[in-house]
Amino acid sequence: NAGVTQTPKFRVLKTGQSMTLLCAQDMNHEYMYWYRQDPGMGLRLIHYSVGEGTTAKGEVPDGYNVSRLKKQNFLLGLESAAPSQTSVYFCASSRPGLAVIQETQYFGPGTRLLVL
Amino acid sequence: SQQGEEDPQALSIQEGENATMNCSYKTSINNLQWYRQNSGRGLVHLILIRSNEREKHSGRLRVTLDTSKKSSSLLITASRAADTASYFCATDAATGGGNKLTFGTGTQLKVEL
Repeated sequence: NAGVTQTPKFRVLKTGQSMTLLCAQDMNHEYMYWYRQDPGMGLRLIHYSVGEGTTAKGEVPDGYNVSRLKKQNFLLGLESAAPSQTSVYFCASSRPGLAVIQETQYFGPGTRLLVL
Repeated sequence: SQQGEEDPQALSIQEGENATMNCSYKTSINNLQWYRQNSGRGLVHLILIRSNEREKHSGRLRVTLDTSKKSSSLLITASRAADTASYFCATDAATGGGNKLTFGTGTQLKVEL
């Protein structure tokens, strides 16, 4: 199993350009998440999904949109990139439930985004 | 806003020594988890402790939780160079569904030979 994969690994954008980050998981997880990680800030939740066709806002959703058309994929879109969106983006997935294995989140390797 | 604050921000120790990291949080939680992040990589789950538990062990890891003080600590015993990484606490406040986690700012641990 590949676990959680993210594409691309690295991208440079100019201000105002758009792009889509792709997250894929092969663990049949219901829940998926997008985080951004900035120096000294830890990880902050952007958007999340509790199932195919559903999305919800996290702590820092402004400037981002998401879609979950297939259970295994969770897309993060930047419609008009800004320098403030320079960050490392992580996708994660988990199962619903209250067992430890279900509450654990599995992370992808990250996408480094630089907006000039 | 960040739920968890971690202390210290950075820690440097010699191989074989113990490393202790602390985490404080603000609201009631369902559980608290610790994750490790090697440089340039994604996070990896280490251990989970529930709000009704006070201490938990896993190999060289020992986690304590004090809900009255809203704090947790992670102890790594007999540290190794391979333990060099950033460590994050994450809390599940059990609100709004989705097993959402709120992460702390992390402790950078360096274990020197």
